[in-house]
Amino acid sequence: DIGMTQSPSSLSTSVGDTVTMTCRASQTIGNYINWYRQRAGRAPELLIYTATGLHNGVPSRFSGSGSGTQFSLTISSLQPEDFATYYCEQSHTYPWTFGQGTRLDI
Amino acid sequence: QEQLVQSGSELKKPGASVKISCTASGYTFTTYAMNWVRQGPGQGLEWMGWIHTNTGNPTYAQGFTGRFVFSLDTSVQTAFLQINGLKAEDTGVYFCARGGRVKEVWGQGTLVTVSS
Repeated sequence: DIGMTQSPSSLSTSVGDTVTMTCRASQTIGNYINWYRQRAGRAPELLIYTATGLHNGVPSRFSGSGSGTQFSLTISSLQPEDFATYYCEQSHTYPWTFGQGTRLDI
Repeated sequence: QEQLVQSGSELKKPGASVKISCTASGYTFTTYAMNWVRQGPGQGLEWMGWIHTNTGNPTYAQGFTGRFVFSLDTSVQTAFLQINGLKAEDTGVYFCARGGRVKEVWGQGTLVTVSS
């Protein structure tokens, strides 16, 4: 299985900050990476698909980059609803696998 | 509005079975595959597999073969996850999620608690 390693595991931030988190794949996955936000007690929500695509309705403060094995998610001007856990997912090779998550704390 | 609505929480004893439903609305059910994702208590997300809603063909991830069964009732736009021979380690929240490589729409999750 392809391992997905996210860093950092947690990050203390504030409203208005800009943050970047990373995801590293154990082997090349092209651009087949998706990013999800999961707020406490809720289902995950798709933010970014195939590394850079912004899902419908997702604010432009979210952006993704990278290819191959190294990827990042940047959130500019953090809003209160952004304090959540973020997961990357590779959809290049079965089984699809998720990273362990990056938690944003106030 | 495209959405997936899952059945409610379940409390089961070890060895029992549970069947969770995921009902789609706002789109044509057979256009997209349906994934199942597990989240253990305080844990991350784990892809269990998916089912092609036009053929009914399931694919199970390793670790979710044997006791786990994906099924459909396309007449009511509903996907099902059945877990047989429940174990304590099956406790968690189970999500359905629409899509192939990208999970665009998620159900709200169903909590399954396995306890004697």
